[in-house]
Amino acid sequence: EAGVTQFPSHSVIEKGQTVTLRCDPISGHDNLYWYRRVMGKEIKFLLHFVKESKQDESGMPNNRFLAERTGGTYSTLKVQPAELEDSGVYFCASSQVWNEQYFGPGTRLTVT
Amino acid sequence: GIQVEQSPPDLILQEGANSTLRCNFSDSVNNLQWFHQNPWGQLINLFYIPSGTKQNGRLSATTVATERYSLLYISSSQTTDSGVYFCAVGYQKVTFGTGTKLQVIP
Repeated sequence: EAGVTQFPSHSVIEKGQTVTLRCDPISGHDNLYWYRRVMGKEIKFLLHFVKESKQDESGMPNNRFLAERTGGTYSTLKVQPAELEDSGVYFCASSQVWNEQYFGPGTRLTVT
Repeated sequence: GIQVEQSPPDLILQEGANSTLRCNFSDSVNNLQWFHQNPWGQLINLFYIPSGTKQNGRLSATTVATERYSLLYISSSQTTDSGVYFCAVGYQKVTFGTGTKLQVIP
């Protein structure tokens, strides 16, 4: 079966611009998660969807970040406007029930 | 929240050497995974190991949940093993450890 996919693999944007990251989970996985690793620090949880509903968005850093999962399939994470400190790698993961999470390859975001 | 500490933070190995990476967590967990972040930034699932021992080729992992630690063994290391190794615990809102940066030199 296909794994978690993310698009784009790398994005370079200028400060103040908008970027939208996309994640396609493993088919049949109701749970979808976003994480990020910035500035070589630890990987941090951002939010969790169960189908199309936000179960937990306690890790979202501020209101410049907006995540959606229309129809309970793929998800998007929009950053608007992007700031320098948003640079890092954004990971998406999916799981069936409360067990192993399968991670995508990540999107490397560079804000200049 | 739960604290997850990994040691050592950095490790340099000669190709062919063996190593043990450790993950300590501050509370009981029912869910533990090991990941390898390769030099391209991709996060690769290594093991899902809430307890017991598993092996996959040159890698193996052991989790002793009652004592709140997990170990990742790398035998006969290769340069392709370089990268950062993370353990992560918890359901849903997974908490990642601090990572061990491994460099394997020829």
